[in-house]
Amino acid sequence: LAKTTQPVSMDSYEGQEVNITCSHNNIATNDYITWYQQFPSQGPRFIIQGYKTKVTNEVASLFIPADRKSSTLSLPRVSLSDTAVYYCLVGDIRASNDYKLSFGAGTTVTVRA
Amino acid sequence: ETGVTQTPRHLVMGMTNKKSLKCEQHLGHNAMYWYKQSAKKPLELMFVYNFKEQTENNSVPSRFSPECPNSSHLFLHLHTLQPEDSALYLCASSQPRDFGTEAFFGQGTRLTVV
Repeated sequence: LAKTTQPVSMDSYEGQEVNITCSHNNIATNDYITWYQQFPSQGPRFIIQGYKTKVTNEVASLFIPADRKSSTLSLPRVSLSDTAVYYCLVGDIRASNDYKLSFGAGTTVTVRA
Repeated sequence: ETGVTQTPRHLVMGMTNKKSLKCEQHLGHNAMYWYKQSAKKPLELMFVYNFKEQTENNSVPSRFSPECPNSSHLFLHLHTLQPEDSALYLCASSQPRDFGTEAFFGQGTRLTVV
């Protein structure tokens, strides 16, 4: 499994854009990049997933450079309710026995008024 | 509502008790997971089941015993626990496919060992 490195924490203010970068230098050819959000005392929630270039949904955007050794989750115009821990996961989502869904320490994002 | 239901939501048990946590999903997923999350710590993967077969045991003490009778149900049997086992226990399920796989988590069971 590719090891991931994320900042421990980030602070922001309401209305700002938050960008969280995840490093995964040993990402494999078949690996996808997935981001989850977790609020206190709740299970993580899927945000976005991608393989290369850019992916956008109603919640966030995911930017993946050509070498795929890093990725950036972009949260546009955050609000107080976006305060949470954000996890970057890298793995082969098609390999049923290898997709262990292992979480790292994540990035604690705190949004202030 | 994620489609993954965990019961009970809260559990207090003594160190000599035996209890079970239950996880149920009717999403048609073939992979199910147990996680432990202690206060202010990352999720620790405990067990993984694929098509009812255990494919991962992440060095979990034997006082935790998983059971997966079918693809929709997952249990975690607890016995002779220690106070340090107090944590939020989370269940998840996923369906590996070519693209767009996401895992769905239950709300968790908050376990307190006294």
